[in-house]
Amino acid sequence: GNSVTQMEGPVTLSEEAFLTINCTYTATGYPSLFWYVQYPGEGLQLLLKATKADDKGSNKGFEATYRKETTSFHLEKGSVQVSDSAVYFCALSENAGNMLTFGGGTRLMVKP
Amino acid sequence: DAEITQSPRHKITETGRQVTLACHQTWNHNNMFWYRQDLGHGLRLIHYSYGVQDTNKGEVSDGYSVSRSNTEDLPLTLESAASSQTSVYFCASSLTGTGPPGELFFGEGSRLTVL
Repeated sequence: GNSVTQMEGPVTLSEEAFLTINCTYTATGYPSLFWYVQYPGEGLQLLLKATKADDKGSNKGFEATYRKETTSFHLEKGSVQVSDSAVYFCALSENAGNMLTFGGGTRLMVKP
Repeated sequence: DAEITQSPRHKITETGRQVTLACHQTWNHNNMFWYRQDLGHGLRLIHYSYGVQDTNKGEVSDGYSVSRSNTEDLPLTLESAASSQTSVYFCASSLTGTGPPGELFFGEGSRLTVL
């Protein structure tokens, strides 16, 4: 079956530091890959996505590249802000019905 | 604006009681999902529906049921609540397109405590 593994948190960084959150996946076919973000007290919202190998998703300064050869979709940001403090989820979907398989989530804490 | 709403946002109940969590979306999405969120497990799929009268079991469906009588609503019922069902529950919806999978829209969550 499908699965997503992401680095455990919490990840604590100072403002303006570089962020990497690792994500690897196992899938039977050719999935689409997603990063969702959950701010405190809220539901999840889509941060970025990539639908095929070598695609780069980007949004709000965050980037992730679909690497089929390493089955990875690592999230990066060059300079984090306090407002980026949240829980980040990597996910995949293989069907048109959009059913998602999620990783365990990584909590990011950014200190001023 | 179109939206997805969950109710109640917080509920405390006792072991053995029946509980229903409501989910209502106004986007006219055909797909609806229920997930539970637990520390160390991320989000796990409970049930999902691809349209009216369609329901399917997810990864952790034991002890839960859903029904889809219209496009807008997918209520989640715990037939006999257990302490292991203490969790935060998220409803989500999406629209099936002709291309790759798209975005899921999530509600704000319902925190359920079973004593």
